[in-house]
Amino acid sequence: QKEVEQDPGPLSVPEGAIVSLNCTYSNSAFQYFMWYRQYSRKGPELLMYTYSSGNKEDGRFTAQVDKSSKYISLFIRDSQPSDSATYLCAATFTGNQFYFGTGTSLTVIP
Amino acid sequence: EPEVTQTPSHQVTQMGQEVILRCVPISNHLYFYWYRQILGQKVEFLVSFYNNEISEKSEIFDDQFSVERPDGSNFTLKIRSTKLEDSAMYFCASKGGSSYNEQFFGPGTRLTVL
Repeated sequence: QKEVEQDPGPLSVPEGAIVSLNCTYSNSAFQYFMWYRQYSRKGPELLMYTYSSGNKEDGRFTAQVDKSSKYISLFIRDSQPSDSATYLCAATFTGNQFYFGTGTSLTVIP
Repeated sequence: EPEVTQTPSHQVTQMGQEVILRCVPISNHLYFYWYRQILGQKVEFLVSFYNNEISEKSEIFDDQFSVERPDGSNFTLKIRSTKLEDSAMYFCASKGGSSYNEQFFGPGTRLTVL
């Protein structure tokens, strides 16, 4: 099942860099899009949630959805070593069943 | 801050045994979910539960799986006869209501089937 695709990385950046994480999806019926952060052997932690197309900003994080190209992005400004984690994108039609990407492993080097 | 809790953190069982994984969702939430993540793979939806019944389930959630909300706080996933391929992290999640789409995840239970 390839509903949501994500480059697994790994991605390694220096502290302070701008990070761009991306996903594509196949089903145009998806309405809601989420980004989760997952530390090793922990549960996914909700970072951002967006509805339909557009941008949403929360501190150093910006989520972007382009429904015309079926593209989801997460930007992290001024990245910190504590941002080192796996980032999961997810999409849903109904708000119940979430379809996750494989996750992108990010390391921010001090 | 309210959070979803899960017990045990790690469960080891023999193939063919029954296991029950337990979750305490956030207290005022109405929708409950189970997901699993096999090592190195995607987080996969298993089932959603609302108003004391299953509202959606995936192909993975076959007859060997069942869910229950035995009281006002717990939400359980039972695997009747475990297989080696059931070894995975199992995550419980909850959300507040139909107008919300943010699901909050617990820390997971690592199930190892020997």
